[in-house]
Amino acid sequence: GDSVTQTEGPVTVSESESLIINCTYSATSIAYPNLFWYVRYPGEGLQLLLKVITAGQKGSSRGFEATYNKETTSFHLQKASVQESDSAVYYCALGRGSALGRLHFGAGTQLIVIP
Amino acid sequence: DPKIIQKPKYLVAVTGSEKILICEQYLGHNAMYWYRQSAKKPLEFMFSYSYQKLMDNQTASSRFQPQSSKKNHLDLQITALKPDDSATYFCASSQEGTGAETLYFGSGTRLTVL
Repeated sequence: GDSVTQTEGPVTVSESESLIINCTYSATSIAYPNLFWYVRYPGEGLQLLLKVITAGQKGSSRGFEATYNKETTSFHLQKASVQESDSAVYYCALGRGSALGRLHFGAGTQLIVIP
Repeated sequence: DPKIIQKPKYLVAVTGSEKILICEQYLGHNAMYWYRQSAKKPLEFMFSYSYQKLMDNQTASSRFQPQSSKKNHLDLQITALKPDDSATYFCASSQEGTGAETLYFGSGTRLTVL
């Protein structure tokens, strides 16, 4: 079946440093899945951070970027300079583009940004 | 204000008992879902509902029963609780169609079964 593997947390980064959270996927039921990053801030529900539905394209939001790499089946999340407010749990996810939102999520990566 | 309300936030139950997790969404979406996350494991899809009808069920056990009394409600009844059911349960919603995979989540109900 489909699956997502991402960096095991927690990941601790100092403010203004760069960040990369790795995400690789396995999609056995579809050649070109849709890829997502969701984020969960403390006390809140998950919310969509960015999504890319076309292989080779890059998505960006709030200073975060991720590029859909079909060759390496990866969708790593990067940010050049993190802020304390970025502390949260980040989830990589895969979807099949179906009419209903059944997504395959990774386990989540907790990011701790030290001021 | 939160657009998806889950109640309660925390729940402790004894083995063999029954609990109901409440979910209401105020986004006007026609599709609702339940996901579950156990410790150190990926978020796992359980059910999807569209217009109050069950569309997809990936839960092996019949002890988990969704209940939709209104179009913006999707509660989850769990019977004969086991310690392995301990997890955080997330309710989500989306608009069926092209926006279906943009999910909006509640903050979760953390269930502990003793």
